[in-house]
Amino acid sequence: DAGVTQSPTHLIKTRGQQVTLRCSPKSGHDTVSWYQQALGQGPQFIFQYYEEEERQRGNFPDRFSGHQFPNYSSELNVNALLLGDSALYLCASSLGTRGSSGYTFGSGTRLTVV
Amino acid sequence: TQLLEQSPQFLSIQEGENLTVYCNSSSVFSSLQWYRQEPGEGPVLLVTVVTGGEVKKLKRLTFQFGDARKDSSLHITAAQTGDTGLYLCAETLDNYGQNFVFGPGTRLSVLP
Repeated sequence: DAGVTQSPTHLIKTRGQQVTLRCSPKSGHDTVSWYQQALGQGPQFIFQYYEEEERQRGNFPDRFSGHQFPNYSSELNVNALLLGDSALYLCASSLGTRGSSGYTFGSGTRLTVV
Repeated sequence: TQLLEQSPQFLSIQEGENLTVYCNSSSVFSSLQWYRQEPGEGPVLLVTVVTGGEVKKLKRLTFQFGDARKDSSLHITAAQTGDTGLYLCAETLDNYGQNFVFGPGTRLSVLP
């Protein structure tokens, strides 16, 4: 039973560029949440997708956008990259938006903006 | 905005020692989860606690939820090098279980 799969694992981009990160949720899960984890910090909630709609959003600018597909997979897009966007981006899946049974996390995408 | 605090921020101990790490909130938790994150990996769920005063054990790990549901602790007995990692607590921001908020974590190093 595959867990959460994220791609790519590492990425280097230049300031001002755009990036798309991808996530396939754990089998049986229908909700995807995205987190940004800066070095030495805990994950910060970006947004959550359920039924192909953004359900909740954290304190992130509109440069961060997302999408969920009918097969529950999801993309995170970041436009006009800043140096401060360098971080580990984590995707977490759950059954339903409540996450009361816990989230299953992928290994993340390490984004470096230069 | 509900904030989670974790202490200590860093902890380095010898294999075989016991340790306790803490998670505190300015408000009452609806539910609390503990995760462990190893370098280069995503967090892995260890336990969920919901009821005030609840104690859960997972092998050498003991999790306690405060009676007032504003604090929680994780105690590790006879630590092993494999326990090394970032220990994160997370709680739901609202009663609908949405928008998990993570604490900053306790970085544990268990030395051989």
